[in-house]
Order: sequence, then C-alpha cells, then structure tokens
Amino acid sequence: AQKITQTQPGMFVQEKEAVTLDCTYDTSDPSYGLFWYKQPSSGEMIFLIYQGSYDQQNATEGRYSLNFQKARKSANLVISASQLGDSAMYFCAMRGIIQGAQKLVFGQGTRLTINP
Amino acid sequence: GAVVSQHPSRVICKSGTSVKIECRSLDFQATTMFWYRQFPKQSLMLMATSNEGSKATYEQGVEKDKFLINHASLTLSTLTVTSAHPEDSSFYICSARGGWDYGYTFGSGTRLTVV
Repeated sequence: AQKITQTQPGMFVQEKEAVTLDCTYDTSDPSYGLFWYKQPSSGEMIFLIYQGSYDQQNATEGRYSLNFQKARKSANLVISASQLGDSAMYFCAMRGIIQGAQKLVFGQGTRLTINP
Repeated sequence: GAVVSQHPSRVICKSGTSVKIECRSLDFQATTMFWYRQFPKQSLMLMATSNEGSKATYEQGVEKDKFLINHASLTLSTLTVTSAHPEDSSFYICSARGGWDYGYTFGSGTRLTVV
C-alpha cells in the first residue's frame, strides 16, 4: 500500500532562515514520483517540485530543493531564505499504482508560518 | 502552462438540492481527472478517478449515487453532489493528468456550503 507521512503539523521559522519540511513514504512500487505542493489560504494547490524515483540527482527549483534519500524513503523539502509569502500549508504527495491505476496520494500536511 | 478551470469557486445551497461542479482543462486534453475532498485543516482525500468516456472509479467509502461524476469529453469533468446535506459541506478540488510530462494540474477548488 502507498503511504505518505508528514510528522510536523506546524513549523515556525524566522524570515530569511532555511526550513526543512519532512516527508517519508512507503511503497512497494519500483517506479514512483514524489511531489510537493503549497496550499495558501485561498485553497489552490501550487506545484513546487518533483522527484522521480529513478532520478540520480536531487531536484531543485529556485529556492526549493528536495532532499531525496531513497534508502530511507524520505523526500524532505528544503526552502532556502524563507519569505513571509511562504506561509502556507505544504503537502507531500506520491504518485503510484493503486489498484491498477495511477493515483496521487497526499500526506497530512505541514502548516508553515514565517515570522518577520 | 497547463491550466484547469474549476467553477464555481464558492456555492451555497439548501439541504436536499443538487450542486454541479465543473472542471475544464483549457489548453490540454485531460484523459484522466481526479476529484478530491478536503475538510478544514485536513489533507486532500481522493474521492474518485474519472476517465473520458468511461465510468468513474470511486474510492472506498465514497457514495457513488451521491457524488455523480461525468467525464464526457477530453476537456470536461463534472462532479454533482446530489441531495446535499450539511455534512457534505467541504472544499472540493479537481486535478487533471496531462499537460506536462509527469504532473498533475489542479483546479482552484470549490467551497461548498450546505445550509
């Protein structure tokens, strides 16, 4: 079964500091994809970064990087130089095969608050 | 970039009535669309997967007769909440597979309030 776990319900960080949001996953599929999304209070889901299970290098997108440790089944999101606008819910998600169909399964989410 | 338009963004309806939510892929063909439900301060829970021209596949525990999904074309999927009750009040959001190599494009969501 596919499972995504985010163990940090809330994180508080000072502006301009780096922050790491934890994500662990469990799957028996050899091929899968890992995503991070940001959800502001408006509710929209904003794609941040993607990591494929066979990718050799950790993904990076601007201030976002994904610390992918396959053996430990973790895919932590690192946000460098945090900004007030980074305050939002963050969801880790995994694409995998569930009951024969490709689906996207989400973790519980982490609420990030950036303090000025 | 890939865009999914979801309407309405907010709807208030009376208990016992039905509400239709639309999701359209504007610049790509979405062969598969997913419908999620999100309660306040909780994660997104997958309700169903719809494929163009075929019946939707519902997740365990989701009432097929209450949440009717139609994916009549490659660019349009609809979710109809039938005989809505206050407990159906929630945030509903769709996503489409397609538009870019490995990703999912999300609509902006619909906040449903049943009074």
